[in-house]
Amino acid sequence: NAGVTQTPKFQVLKTGQSMTLQCAQDMNHEYMSWYRQDPGMGLRLIHYSVGAGITDQGEVPNGYNVSRSTTEDFPLRLLSAAPSQTSVYFCASSYLGRAETQYFGPGTRLLVL
Amino acid sequence: EDKVVQSPLSLVVHEGDTVTLNCSYEVTNFRSLLWYKQEKKAPTFLFMLTSSGIEKKSGRLSSILDKKELFSILNITATQTGDSAVYLCALGDSGTYKYIFGTGTRLKVLA
Repeated sequence: NAGVTQTPKFQVLKTGQSMTLQCAQDMNHEYMSWYRQDPGMGLRLIHYSVGAGITDQGEVPNGYNVSRSTTEDFPLRLLSAAPSQTSVYFCASSYLGRAETQYFGPGTRLLVL
Repeated sequence: EDKVVQSPLSLVVHEGDTVTLNCSYEVTNFRSLLWYKQEKKAPTFLFMLTSSGIEKKSGRLSSILDKKELFSILNITATQTGDSAVYLCALGDSGTYKYIFGTGTRLKVLA
């Protein structure tokens, strides 16, 4: 049981490049979410999903796209990276009935130059 | 705008001390208030207090929710160096599955 996995661990991008941050869970959780964490800002919700085919926006969705084609995977896409997207990104998952007990992945550190 | 504010921003104590971390909020309707501990990487879940719950305890950690005064506190007694971490407070919106996190309190426990 791997829990929540994220790849890559670290990535450097140039402004304007695109990339996808991967997130997968093997706990059959319906709920999955993406957060970004910046110094002094806490965790901010980007997008979330309550099941395959269903996604919704969080607090800071601009510049990010998501899709949920399977229960296990919830990739986060940056279409045109900007320096303001330099951050640590966390993916989390939980059962829908106990959405509060979210299990977080180890994070992806992204640097946009 | 919904808001979660934690205080203090950082705290340094010695082993054996008792600490109180604060979380105040300006959220009109919420389903639950959550506490997480974040060491070097991913946050780990500590407590959930529901809108109808008041106090939770787990070993040296305890938490209360004051719905009237709109705050929660996390108490840690007999602190240990392993308690050094950032403690995060979050509120779960009652109508959606959105969560609003505070900026966290960084606790350092000296041996």
